[in-house]
Amino acid sequence: QQQVKQSPQSLIVQKGGISIINCAYENTAFDYFPWYQQFPGKGPALLIAIRPDVSEKKEGRFTISFNKSAKQFSLHIMDSQPGDSATYFCAAQPGNTPLVFGKGTRLSVIA
Amino acid sequence: DGGITQSPKYLFRKEGQNVTLSCEQNLNHDAMYWYRQDPGQGLRLIYYSQIVNDFQKGDIAEGYSVSREKKESFPLTVTSAQKNPTAFYLCASSKSGGRGEQFFGPGTRLTVL
Repeated sequence: QQQVKQSPQSLIVQKGGISIINCAYENTAFDYFPWYQQFPGKGPALLIAIRPDVSEKKEGRFTISFNKSAKQFSLHIMDSQPGDSATYFCAAQPGNTPLVFGKGTRLSVIA
Repeated sequence: DGGITQSPKYLFRKEGQNVTLSCEQNLNHDAMYWYRQDPGQGLRLIYYSQIVNDFQKGDIAEGYSVSREKKESFPLTVTSAQKNPTAFYLCASSKSGGRGEQFFGPGTRLTVL
C-alpha cells in the first residue's frame, strides 16, 4: 500500500519530442505528489509537484497530469532537450510522514 | 548560501570498520532524512528525524545508526553489521512537520573494500 510504481525504467526520446513518465499508487492517504530530477553524481532536486485538488500543473516545459480516480499521475516533458537527460523520480506523501519514492526513470534525449 | 552539506563526497573503508557520514543543513529545517541509492532501486529510506533528540527507523535501518543532537546535524553511522554498505548515500531535509518539499544534499559515495 505504501508503494509507488513508476514506469518505464528507461526512456529514449528524440530532441524536440515529448517524454512521458507514469506513476501509480494504491494508498488514498497520499496527498502530495512531487517529481524530482537527478543528474549523475548529484542529489535529486524538486522539479514540480501537485496536490490532489487539481488535475494538472504546468511549469514551463514540464507538466504533471493527475488522475485521482485512477490513482495515477504522470510527468510530461515537452520539447525534450539533451540537457533534460537525467533520472526522474516520482514520489508521494501521506500526511507528514516521509516521501515514498518510485524506482526512477532514466531519460536519454538524443539529437 | 542556504543548503545541505554532506562530507566527504567519496569515502573508502575496509570491510568490518564502522564509518560515519556527515550531514549539516543551514535551512532551519526541523526534519532530516537519510536515503540509500543503489542502481535501479530508487531512494530507500534509512532513518528520519522530525525533531531534535528523536528519530525513526525507515525501510532499511538494519546495520545503520543515527543521532540528532543538534537541529543542523544528522550524522549516519554505517556499522560493520550492514552486509552490503557500498552505495550512494543522500541526506535530505524539510520544513516543520516533514510536509512538502525535501531538499537533498550532494551525496556521499561509500565504497567498502
